[in-house]
Amino acid sequence: AQSVTQLGSHVSVSEGALVLLRCNYSSSVPPYLFWYVQYPNQGLQLLLKYTSAATLVKGINGFEAEFKKSETSFHLTKPSAHMSDAAEYFCAFSARDNYGQNFVFGPGTRLSVLP
Amino acid sequence: DAGVIQSPRHEVTEMGQEVTLRCKPISGHNSLFWYRQTMMRGLELLIYFNNNVPIDDSGMPEDRFSAKMPNASFSTLKIQPSEPRDSAVYFCASSSTTGELFFGEGSRLTVL
Repeated sequence: AQSVTQLGSHVSVSEGALVLLRCNYSSSVPPYLFWYVQYPNQGLQLLLKYTSAATLVKGINGFEAEFKKSETSFHLTKPSAHMSDAAEYFCAFSARDNYGQNFVFGPGTRLSVLP
Repeated sequence: DAGVIQSPRHEVTEMGQEVTLRCKPISGHNSLFWYRQTMMRGLELLIYFNNNVPIDDSGMPEDRFSAKMPNASFSTLKIQPSEPRDSAVYFCASSSTTGELFFGEGSRLTVL
């Protein structure tokens, strides 16, 4: 069965510091991997996605993630945190089955950015 | 381009009443998903459709919940009768062959 884990339900960083949000997946089939961001009272918005092309994926707002098959990881990073990055971040996995797509979301990590 | 459109954005109702949430997916998308989000349980997949056919409804909590997709441009999630524990934000999302999900803004349901 496929699953996604996110280490740390809450991460705090200082403004200007490195952001690192961890995601690991478990799957018996090649994965598609995604990071989504959710701001308060809004829906989830795609940050970036990995679909078997380049292993280093760049997304919006300066975020990037690296797919490491050997570690079954897809950690999200940003060199310098901004106050506007405070939000909930979700890692997600999908794999095509015989009928279509299904997505599995991690539990989410709430990022706080301290002034 | 119009994104995924959900209605109503907010609904307050009393226990026992019927609730119907509506979703219009992005045109051309062939998969549609209903999620529920609460503080306690996070984001839960309720059901997903592919080409208007329900593929996996194992996340539907109980028989009080039902979902339909009569055509490619419309889906409903119905709760009858509603209970206070159904209070949550319900998200609809759609996807195409490119793989990513596009979410609506959500419907915040409060059952008193």
